[in-house]
Amino acid sequence: EAGVAQSPRYKIIEKRQSVAFWCNPISGHATLYWYQQILGQGPKLLIQFQNNGVVDDSQLPKDRFSAERLKGVDSTLKIQPAKLEDSAVYLCASSLDDRGETQYFGPGTRLLVL
Amino acid sequence: QKEVEQNSGPLSVPEGAIASLNCTYSDRVSQSFFWYRQYSGKSPELIMSIYSNGDKEDGRFTAQLNKASQYVSLLIRDSQPSDSATYLCAVDEGGYQKVTFGTGTKLQVIP
Repeated sequence: EAGVAQSPRYKIIEKRQSVAFWCNPISGHATLYWYQQILGQGPKLLIQFQNNGVVDDSQLPKDRFSAERLKGVDSTLKIQPAKLEDSAVYLCASSLDDRGETQYFGPGTRLLVL
Repeated sequence: QKEVEQNSGPLSVPEGAIASLNCTYSDRVSQSFFWYRQYSGKSPELIMSIYSNGDKEDGRFTAQLNKASQYVSLLIRDSQPSDSATYLCAVDEGGYQKVTFGTGTKLQVIP
């Protein structure tokens, strides 16, 4: 079974530029999560999708971050414009459903904003 | 704001010893509890989940849950250098699986 795929793996941009990340969850997984993990901290949930609907985006900085999951499969997370403090690893995870199931994480995208 | 608290460490134990990792949480309605292991530069991977009070054992790992005290722990017996990693405690309040992660405890197993 293929795992969660993410791209790109690394990205370096200058502040005020835009960047987009892509995630393809495990086949059949209804729930998809985007997390931000700053060095030395635990993952912080940015947005959670159940199929193609948003379940929780309370910690998503909506003035600069956006995410979509069209057709309930893969997803993109965009930052526009980026700030220095957005430097982090962006993790995508998926789970079979929303009932306390295990989350499977992708390899992450390491973003550096200069 | 729901909180999950962990000692950031590092926790250093000699090879073969028992490592004890602790986690407290603030939300009394939490129903599911997870321990994830994260090697440096890698993504978290689930090692244990626990849903009811008491102990749950899986190989060298034992998770302990006490909902009255809002406390969950992870014991690693016969610690190996390969266990050196950051251990993340995660708590799910139920319903739409809104999981909150702690900051993680860094474990170092000294050969």
